[in-house]
Amino acid sequence: GAGVSQSPSNKVTEKGKDVELRCDPISGHTALYWYRQSLGQGLEFLIYFQGNSAPDKSGLPSDRFSAERTGGSVSTLTIQRTQQEDSAVYLCASSLVRDRLYNEQFFGPGTRLTVL
Amino acid sequence: GNSVTQMEGPVTLSEEAFLTINCTYTATGYPSLFWYVQYPGEGLQLLLKATKADDKGSNKGFEATYRKETTSFHLEKGSVQVSDSAVYFCALSQGGGADGLTFGKGTHLIIQP
Repeated sequence: GAGVSQSPSNKVTEKGKDVELRCDPISGHTALYWYRQSLGQGLEFLIYFQGNSAPDKSGLPSDRFSAERTGGSVSTLTIQRTQQEDSAVYLCASSLVRDRLYNEQFFGPGTRLTVL
Repeated sequence: GNSVTQMEGPVTLSEEAFLTINCTYTATGYPSLFWYVQYPGEGLQLLLKATKADDKGSNKGFEATYRKETTSFHLEKGSVQVSDSAVYFCALSQGGGADGLTFGKGTHLIIQP
């Protein structure tokens, strides 16, 4: 079956513009995660969804960042009024949450965002 | 809060050499521990995992043992190959992986023939 897919693969935008990043999780996976990978900060957890709700939004860097998930499937990460420091690779992952003992997260290829 | 510390590299080794990549963590309770690998041009993949103290995770000749007394999860391989060249990330999860992962900064491994 298909893995996690993300679109676009690359996005170049001008400072101050809004961008939307999309994630299609593996079919049937109930949990969905967003991470950011940048040279300076490494891999940072941003937010995760269990179904359509986000129990933990503490990783979002600022109020310019928001995310939603509808129908327990596709998720969009929106960055408003982009800044140059938002330039990074945004990774999405999904998992089939069975129990608290262990749940493997499967990662997508990422969206490379460049803010000029 | 939780944190993971690993050697950043690059680590350069010759083929068939022994590999150790150190990883230590700070967390409350009993986190699950993971090693992820990112091959050139590819996405992150789970390499191995351990969910409780003294567990040993293994895959593709790589091993790591969950040591609670030293809060460590060092990655080892007895004989590396050129194809092992990649970036390796140590990570932890408080919720068994159901919550967000806390990653180390990654170790770039270069294997020379």
